Amino acid sequence: QITLKESGPTLVKPTQTLTLTCTFSGFSLTTSGVGMGWIRQPPGKALEWLALIYWDDDKRYSPSLKSRLTITKDTSKNQVVLTMTNLDPVDTATYYCAHGVMGSPDAFDVWGPGTMVTVSS
Amino acid sequence: QSVLTQPPSVSAAPGQKVTISCSENSSNIGNNYVSWYQQLPGTAPKLLIYDNNKRPSGIPDRFSGSKSGTSATLGITGLQTGDEADYYCGTWDSSLTDVFFGGGTRLTVL
Repeated sequence: QITLKESGPTLVKPTQTLTLTCTFSGFSLTTSGVGMGWIRQPPGKALEWLALIYWDDDKRYSPSLKSRLTITKDTSKNQVVLTMTNLDPVDTATYYCAHGVMGSPDAFDVWGPGTMVTVSS
Repeated sequence: QSVLTQPPSVSAAPGQKVTISCSENSSNIGNNYVSWYQQLPGTAPKLLIYDNNKRPSGIPDRFSGSKSGTSATLGITGLQTGDEADYYCGTWDSSLTDVFFGGGTRLTVL
């Protein structure tokens, strides 16, 4: 059974850097074809894809946020980390990590419960 | 920039069928697979359909997906009150550098 859980600060000040960790179990990010993504959702708004990382360390980022995002993995800890710099109140959202369906970059079959991040001074 | 357009809301009576459309202003849907998600209030999204029409294990066959040209459709038959949720379509761009979602459709089961 695959499980995912996001962790990180709930409140961040503008201009600060946000670091979110996704801790997972039930699969290995060293297995060929496996990928994991980060998606966010501002309150009352739609989903927004942020980043993907694959078993071979291939990384993909949302073009509109690429300059601010870094995704990394620690396979020994079964964790994926997303860093976002220069936070702004518009970055207030629930942030989800998700396990990708092999061969389908847009399909995420298991999601974490999400973590709400508020950007405010 | 690609945009996936969904109707803001749809509604139907219990037991009836409803369809939710997802159209694009570019060719990404036409060239790539589409996925669909259900998001119940206060919960994380749940994958209903991937690769246009495949259902993950545990998803009932009341949910179906199809694609034609630059549009995709989610169908739900035998509507239940528990189907009331937001539904999102998703796809990726041809260069596999960008995944994007539609604006979401709120389903009301009257």
